[in-house]
Amino acid sequence: QKEVEQDPGPLSVPEGAIVSLNCTYSNSAFQYFMWYRQYSRKGPELLMYTYSSGNKEDGRFTAQVDKSSKYISLFIRDSQPSDSATYLCAMILPQGTSGSRLTFGEGTQLTVNP
Amino acid sequence: SQTIHQWPATLVQPVGSPLSLECTVEGTSNPNLYWYRQAAGRGLQLLFYSVGIGQISSEVPQNLSASRPQDRQFILSSKKLLLSDSGFYLCAWNRGSGNQPQHFGDGTRLSIL
Repeated sequence: QKEVEQDPGPLSVPEGAIVSLNCTYSNSAFQYFMWYRQYSRKGPELLMYTYSSGNKEDGRFTAQVDKSSKYISLFIRDSQPSDSATYLCAMILPQGTSGSRLTFGEGTQLTVNP
Repeated sequence: SQTIHQWPATLVQPVGSPLSLECTVEGTSNPNLYWYRQAAGRGLQLLFYSVGIGQISSEVPQNLSASRPQDRQFILSSKKLLLSDSGFYLCAWNRGSGNQPQHFGDGTRLSIL
């Protein structure tokens, strides 16, 4: 079983829709959670970073963490064609030394149609 | 602000040839540095990480090696490329303790013929 599970999609929605992207994880020791957006032929770009259960909002994006269920979500409101990209969840186990070990989901490919 | 640069953006190499990919970070000192490989339709696989000059940790046995000759420079190398080395190589950095998110460069797409 993978430590982090993410539906690869593809997911296709009309412009203006609310998008829900999800990841589940098996290791309850994960404490820091991230969402990255990756455009084709580019590196991942950090969208959201959170370390506690609950919601964190940034513009049209909301990250939600439910540690009891080992489930994280990213919601995109009023989706735009420019949101078309692959979205990767990632999480960190606390480390006693410097450097961080990110465990990534495989990414969900999203297309927002005009 | 901090920026990370990778080059070249694309590279086509014959089997058996050597490889050198370079990554540099600007605007920060003593970053942690990482090399990842991303296969098509798959997640990111950590190859190497470094917490300081000359300090390299390898995550998976493979045909590649990494070096950190300067504080903000990270190099990925191979003496003889294999077909299986094809992929998208990403460099990343972060600061401080182990709980900070990583920031990625725009990658090198490597094709082996």
